[in-house]
Amino acid sequence: AQSVAQPEDQVNVAEGNPLTVKCTYSVSGNPYLFWYVQYPNRGLQFLLKYITGDNLVKGSYGFEAEFNKSQTSFHLKKPSALVSDSALYFCAVRDGDYGQNFVFGPGTRLSVLP
Amino acid sequence: DGGITQSPKYLFRKEGQNVTLSCEQNLNHDAMYWYRQDPGQGLRLIYYSQIVNDFQKGDIAEGYSVSREKKESFPLTVTSAQKNPTAFYLCASSKGHPNTEAFFGQGTRLTVV
Repeated sequence: AQSVAQPEDQVNVAEGNPLTVKCTYSVSGNPYLFWYVQYPNRGLQFLLKYITGDNLVKGSYGFEAEFNKSQTSFHLKKPSALVSDSALYFCAVRDGDYGQNFVFGPGTRLSVLP
Repeated sequence: DGGITQSPKYLFRKEGQNVTLSCEQNLNHDAMYWYRQDPGQGLRLIYYSQIVNDFQKGDIAEGYSVSREKKESFPLTVTSAQKNPTAFYLCASSKGHPNTEAFFGQGTRLTVV
């Protein structure tokens, strides 16, 4: 079975500082990993994904994520946070070999303080 | 302008009433999904469809029904059997291959009055 954990409900960071939002996953087969962002009363917006290849994936709005197979992690990062990055962030996994559905983590609320 | 459209944005339901939430996509995606989001919680899968005229129950299908008569459309009916329907409902679509991301609509907020 697939599962995703986001160990932090809330992450606070000062504007201009680097940010990290953590994600760990469990799948039986080949993991396909995704990050989404949600602003209040809106749908989810796709940020980036890892399918194969380079472990460092770059995405929208300056975000990047690092895939670590041995730690089964896919942490979202940004070198310099903006106040406008404040939102709810979801990590998701699809099992490339055994499943078709997305499994989402519980979400992490990011607050960037001016 | 391609995308996925949910309507209405806000919906109010009386006790014992069925309501239908609309989801339409023009992305030519085979797969469509319905999720429920409650305050402070993640997304829970209600139903999904990988192809026209076929759909499968997700984790919380009780009290809901769907149809997939056209590739572009995947309406969700919240029936009177759903005891706690107040939530934010999200529709999504994706291509068939699991290495593709999902695209989400803007959501429908359903409130029981």
